[in-house]
Amino acid sequence: GENVEQHPSTLSVQEGDSAVIKCTYSDSASNYFPWYKQELGKRPQLIIDIRSNVGEKKDQRIAVTLNKTAKHFSLHITETQPEDSAVYFCAAGYNNNDMRFGAGTRLTVKP
Amino acid sequence: DAGVIQSPRHEVTEMGQEVTLRCKLISGHNSLFWYRQTMMRGLELLIYFNNNVPIDDSGMPEDRFSAKMPNASFSTLKIQPSEPRDSAVYFCASGDYTGELFFGEGSRLTVL
Repeated sequence: GENVEQHPSTLSVQEGDSAVIKCTYSDSASNYFPWYKQELGKRPQLIIDIRSNVGEKKDQRIAVTLNKTAKHFSLHITETQPEDSAVYFCAAGYNNNDMRFGAGTRLTVKP
Repeated sequence: DAGVIQSPRHEVTEMGQEVTLRCKLISGHNSLFWYRQTMMRGLELLIYFNNNVPIDDSGMPEDRFSAKMPNASFSTLKIQPSEPRDSAVYFCASGDYTGELFFGEGSRLTVL
């Protein structure tokens, strides 16, 4: 099955700076790469996703890039705010099959 | 739609007892995933179903764990007998052909 690795495990940035989280996956058949945000005590919620037919997608301050050849994808958050502090998970799978998650990145944005 | 509904939200039980966690999918979704979350191991995929059929249960830790999907909208995860190391938050998530998963609020299990 799919194996997803995520780095770093913790990330601390100053408010207004950018944050980048990177993931690699193992199964070349994977075609769907979502990112989830989980606030303390809450459920993971989708913030952005990308499919294998595009290389980049942006939604306001959040962007995701995908390199299918190298089998890695990244989350970029610009102009970070304290409310961005949470645990972020990447995931990879084929459509709605075998969705595997990375270990998570705990992002802290210092005011 | 009320979203994915899990019950119970919290359960405290003693080692050796049977635990049953329940999940109601979003109407129209055809895939169902069970995950276990701990600080040490993150979000582990235990099992997933497509159209009520278990596709991959390789993440189920031991024979003490079993999952069923008796109909298109409902699933159970059972642990029998439970052990302290089973303590975790168990999430179910449902999805459709798009791939996006919608998580329930989780069931926090504590086994004493």
